Amino acid sequence: QVQLVESGGGVVQPGGSLRLSCTGSGFTFSINGMHWVRQAPGKGLEWVAAIRNDGSITRYADSVKGRSTISRDNSKSTMYLQISSLRVEDTALYYCAREDWALAGRSLDVWGQGTMVTVSS
Amino acid sequence: QSALTQPASVSGSPGQSITISCTGTSSDIGSSNYVSWYQQHPGEAPKVIIYDVFNRPSGVSNRFSGSKSGNTASLTVSGLQAEDEADYYCYSYTDNNLRLFGGGTKLTVL
Repeated sequence: QVQLVESGGGVVQPGGSLRLSCTGSGFTFSINGMHWVRQAPGKGLEWVAAIRNDGSITRYADSVKGRSTISRDNSKSTMYLQISSLRVEDTALYYCAREDWALAGRSLDVWGQGTMVTVSS
Repeated sequence: QSALTQPASVSGSPGQSITISCTGTSSDIGSSNYVSWYQQHPGEAPKVIIYDVFNRPSGVSNRFSGSKSGNTASLTVSGLQAEDEADYYCYSYTDNNLRLFGGGTKLTVL
């Protein structure tokens, strides 16, 4: 079945860095745009970053721009999010999500279960 | 990038209809045909229920409908059921090809 699985979360000190991974299965990963979305504890959803299916175009929210890099390796069906200079306010559950124009237009139609990032000293 | 504006909470009785608004600007909702809505139950990942303003993904109940007028998008849930109790989020492209979520609305079925 179609699935996304995130990994790489953990507890990090302020100023530290982390690389999150998202591996897809059950679909042709290389044809889909992919996104990262985060949700702070008890808060709403926040879009973080997106990458085109071939990796040629990336977009970032202002909150992470300049200290984050989204990338992908289609040969491994995996997307990454590297975040540096982590702040307490980056503490959140990080979801990866798929965009499939044929099935659900410009929406995020498949989501992983998330990986938790906690920034704390 | 300010979040799209949604009411914090709405409520309705079983069988009734409710509408959740999502207000943006001419730089996002007002200039985008790519507005979608997500339902999130506690402890679960979000699920898309409306895409591209008014389309329903396969398997989503036709009790959910979407619309847009100017800078405001709306989600209507008709024939409320207990299982509809959840958080709902709107989402839109912006004119510089970024994305924005609304702040979320908690739907309570009385």
